[in-house]
Amino acid sequence: GQNIDQPTEMTATEGAIVQINCTYQTSGFNGLFWYQQHAGEAPTFLSYNVLDGLEEKGRFSSFLSRSKGYSYLLLKELQMKDSASYLCAVTPGGGNKLTFGTGTQLKVEL
Amino acid sequence: SAVISQKPSRDICQRGTSLTIQCQVDSQVTMMFWYRQQPGQSLTLIATANQGSEATYESGFVIDKFPISRPNLTFSTLTVSNMSPEDSSIYLCSANRQILHNEQFFGPGTRLTVL
Repeated sequence: GQNIDQPTEMTATEGAIVQINCTYQTSGFNGLFWYQQHAGEAPTFLSYNVLDGLEEKGRFSSFLSRSKGYSYLLLKELQMKDSASYLCAVTPGGGNKLTFGTGTQLKVEL
Repeated sequence: SAVISQKPSRDICQRGTSLTIQCQVDSQVTMMFWYRQQPGQSLTLIATANQGSEATYESGFVIDKFPISRPNLTFSTLTVSNMSPEDSSIYLCSANRQILHNEQFFGPGTRLTVL
């Protein structure tokens, strides 16, 4: 089966750094995605990791360790607009379909 | 990224009726998918819409309840049949293009309420 775990909620302060963790156990692995979803909107793509290491894209970075079944999304210089749900998703081997984690609701406060 | 539109954006339906949701992509894509997102939950894959053949359903979802069509590379429909209040959810269409990597992008969703 597929199991993807994330913290349910996190709170951080504007201007700070926050790390959202994701652990996964899947029957195969063909990449890990992070999506951002604001309330009432569709998920939007943030990052993709298929090899171990850190991928940096502006204020957002994503890390992957395949041996540990672990990823994190790092958000720097937090802004109020970063308040959203962050979804970790894995593509199991043999297909392009996504299996999503439970999502982490991030609240950014002043 | 390609743009995906869905119709209707929302609907309120009576128990026992059916609703067909349309998904249109503005460019040809390799794969299309249908997801469900129940209130406060994450996304669950319903099926992969295969162009010119029957959709591939995930465990817990069946063709009689969620018939899917994909007549060409840019269009798909999902029907929610014989609806009950438990079907109240957001239904999202997504599409996949493999350019630099396997990116999947989503339509705006259809918010369905069944009374």
